[in-house]
Amino acid sequence: SQQGEEDPQALSIQEGENATMNCSYKTSINNLQWYRQNSGRGLVHLILIRSNEREKHSGRLRVTLDTSKKSSSLLITASRAADTASYFCATVEETSGSRLTFGEGTQLTVNP
Amino acid sequence: DTGVSQNPRHKITKRGQNVTFRCDPISEHNRLYWYRQTLGQGPEFLTYFQNEAQLEKSRLLSDRFSAERPKGSFSTLEIQRTEQGDSAMYLCASSYPETQYFGPGTRLLVL
Repeated sequence: SQQGEEDPQALSIQEGENATMNCSYKTSINNLQWYRQNSGRGLVHLILIRSNEREKHSGRLRVTLDTSKKSSSLLITASRAADTASYFCATVEETSGSRLTFGEGTQLTVNP
Repeated sequence: DTGVSQNPRHKITKRGQNVTFRCDPISEHNRLYWYRQTLGQGPEFLTYFQNEAQLEKSRLLSDRFSAERPKGSFSTLEIQRTEQGDSAMYLCASSYPETQYFGPGTRLLVL
């Protein structure tokens, strides 16, 4: 079963704008990871944030984690057409060992 | 630096046939995972190995599915007596220790 729920399901913006995607989950976690998937391709790991961290940055990406609300957000700044893809959050639950539980993803379209 | 590789990339088969997929992980990674993804959905966990030991299997993994990782290197996922509902992208990932790196996937179509 899917733990994470991404919001929105689809997002369309213009190049140069910022894109924010949200993820909610239900159980206690060890870490939360964000992945990108271009149409019909494999997943590319973007960033991992641990349960004791609140914010992480990587290039144009900023991820926040609020364990009290069981939610995370991914911000992509100064978006580019090449950022067009599906974005998934995935959690490693405290009781799950190391398997990832994915949400259904946000489809981001960046228009040139 | 080679990533995770999967073969074949595409497989079309008739209902009732057996299929086998192969995954070669990143060489120093001791954990290997299989996931299944259907159109418009996020990947769903199937099973994972630490070295050669299969440590966890999902309820999604029916008796028709079997996975192996001999000698803790590459892994195979076999589906026996395929059904149309098995049509999906099968993804393999490896990790050491936490971040899972995914292969390109094998897209299966059962006719």
